[in-house]
Amino acid sequence: GGIITQTPKFLIGQEGQKLTLKCQQNFNHDTMYWYRQDSGKGLRLIYYSITENDLQKGDLSEGYDASREKKSSFSLTVTSAQKNEMAVFLCASRDRDQDTQYFGPGTRLLVL
Amino acid sequence: AQSVTQPDARVTVSEGASLQLRCKYSYSGTPYLFWYVQYPRQGLQLLLKYYSGDPVVQGVNGFEAEFIKSNSSFHLRKASVHWSDSAVYFCAVAPNVGDNSKLIWGLGTSLVVNP
Repeated sequence: GGIITQTPKFLIGQEGQKLTLKCQQNFNHDTMYWYRQDSGKGLRLIYYSITENDLQKGDLSEGYDASREKKSSFSLTVTSAQKNEMAVFLCASRDRDQDTQYFGPGTRLLVL
Repeated sequence: AQSVTQPDARVTVSEGASLQLRCKYSYSGTPYLFWYVQYPRQGLQLLLKYYSGDPVVQGVNGFEAEFIKSNSSFHLRKASVHWSDSAVYFCAVAPNVGDNSKLIWGLGTSLVVNP
């Protein structure tokens, strides 16, 4: 079996700071995703990538950049953290044959 | 616009009771439907999925769901819940047949099972 690793587990930032979240998968999946999870708002897609060096905007891409330099890794950058922001960022990759998304445990962000 | 509605933000049941978590979707074509579960401080895991055929699909841990096209629903059921089933459950629909790379997600239902 494979695994998705997200680093860091917890991220505390300052208002206006640029923050980078990293995701690694060893499933050898082509498609990877970044979601934001806020309490009461479910999952909102920020960016996804269907292959190395591909980027597709989701519904919540404003305020974020993403990078897929290798098939196994997908990074997300918060370009300017907002004061009192608190959310969980989930990374996922998709098994096309099983049509299943596999999720990492998340990065919990708090902006002071 | 395509959407998924989970009308119950929170459901509380006693251990051993039966369970139904509701999901309704809005989609013009033939949907692909999914249920995922998120245990505390973990990512989401697939419970079950429906593409076509038998409208009742079986998933892991005794969960099943029934696709009712006339009602645009895909409710999740379990005959007898265990305290370890306490989690958040998400319903999702694939908006583009042939390209399931993006899913439309419901807001989730938090299930609390009292021992």
